Amino acid sequence: AQSVSQHNHHVILSEAASLELGCNYSYGGTVNLFWYVQYPGQHLQLLLKYFSGDPLVKGIKGFEAEFIKSKFSFNLRKPSVQWSDTAEYFCAVNAGTGGFKTIFGAGTRLFVKA
Amino acid sequence: EPEVTQTPSHQVTQMGQEVILRCVPISNHLYFYWYRQILGQKVEFLVSFYNNEISEKSEIFDDQFSVERPDGSNFTLKIRSTKLEDSAMYFCASSKGQKDEETQYFGPGTRLLVL
Repeated sequence: AQSVSQHNHHVILSEAASLELGCNYSYGGTVNLFWYVQYPGQHLQLLLKYFSGDPLVKGIKGFEAEFIKSKFSFNLRKPSVQWSDTAEYFCAVNAGTGGFKTIFGAGTRLFVKA
Repeated sequence: EPEVTQTPSHQVTQMGQEVILRCVPISNHLYFYWYRQILGQKVEFLVSFYNNEISEKSEIFDDQFSVERPDGSNFTLKIRSTKLEDSAMYFCASSKGQKDEETQYFGPGTRLLVL
């Protein structure tokens, strides 16, 4: 069955600490991979996406993610977090062309201490 | 930048009542979706819609649910007889459906509370 696993449910960091959120997926065939962010009280926003090409993708707000096909992983990273990064982060995958459902991980709630 | 919009932002209803959640997808998008997120849980796929018919639906999307595109801009989700467990945030999404580059853009959600 198709699934997305996020390794941590809650992460607490101090400002300027480095961040890495793990994501593994189980999905047959070619996939598109996404990280969405949900700030408190707000809706899902696309942080970054991978379709093909360079497996290291850069997104908004200094985030990046690396697709490692052999490990079925798409981990999210940021070298130095800020208090404003406090949010819930969702890894997601879909299978290419339109009409396919996007499958979400359970989310990782990040809290950054000022 | 074009956005998906949803109305209402919040809705409170009595169990057994019908609710209609409305969405205006991005104008040049062809595929439309509904997802829900029960408080504290993951975002779950409900249904996808293309060319005026359902493309795919999950096991959550039972006979109580229906979707419609009544005109050229709106996309609605109807819950015929709401249950307590339907309380959730409902997200609409849309996508162009381009081959190999399928990004779904999400609306701000409608928070539904069934009493």
